[in-house]
Amino acid sequence: QKEVEQDPGPLSVPEGAIVSLNCTYSNSAFQYFMWYRQYSRKGPELLMYTYSSGNKEDGRFTAQVDKSSKYISLFIRDSQPSDSATYLCAMSDHKLVFGAGTILRVKS
Amino acid sequence: EPEVTQTPSHQVTQMGQEVILRCVPISNHLYFYWYRQILGQKVEFLVSFYNNEISEKSEIFDDQFSVERPDGSNFTLKIRSTKLEDSAMYFCASSGETLNYGYTFGSGTRLTVV
Repeated sequence: QKEVEQDPGPLSVPEGAIVSLNCTYSNSAFQYFMWYRQYSRKGPELLMYTYSSGNKEDGRFTAQVDKSSKYISLFIRDSQPSDSATYLCAMSDHKLVFGAGTILRVKS
Repeated sequence: EPEVTQTPSHQVTQMGQEVILRCVPISNHLYFYWYRQILGQKVEFLVSFYNNEISEKSEIFDDQFSVERPDGSNFTLKIRSTKLEDSAMYFCASSGETLNYGYTFGSGTRLTVV
């Protein structure tokens, strides 16, 4: 089993839709959970980080962590064409372990 | 907003040549990292660096790789004898908090080995 699993997509949604992105993981030592956005040939840009289980909201973005299920989610409300990018989940023990990334396309 | 700066943005090198990838981390950060991303694959951890020494390295980071913080501002990754499979985007990152916080990544250096 891979340490972090993420559906690579692509996920294509109309503008204004609610987007749900997910990752599962196997290592119960992970304590910090992050979502990064990456544009083509650019570095990952931190969107949100969460410690342990729970929810965190920042504008149109909500991150959820369920440690009992080893499952994390990122929700994007009122999605915009500018949200089109690759979204990477990452989790940390002493280093970041990334998912494969989900390609999101928001159509206007 | 503070940035991690990487140079060059693109480097082409002959197989077997040495390359040095350069990074200027955010000035008050204490932890420095190199990650790489082969085209179409995951971002992978290479090495972390703290207090002028390597704190952790992956199995990818073999004897061909080395890191250095030569002057208190730059952080470099050297590949001694490049192989075709070293072709990738190399990202530098830095963090001012513990190892477990989200890091700030640079825009990357695209290394092409021919």
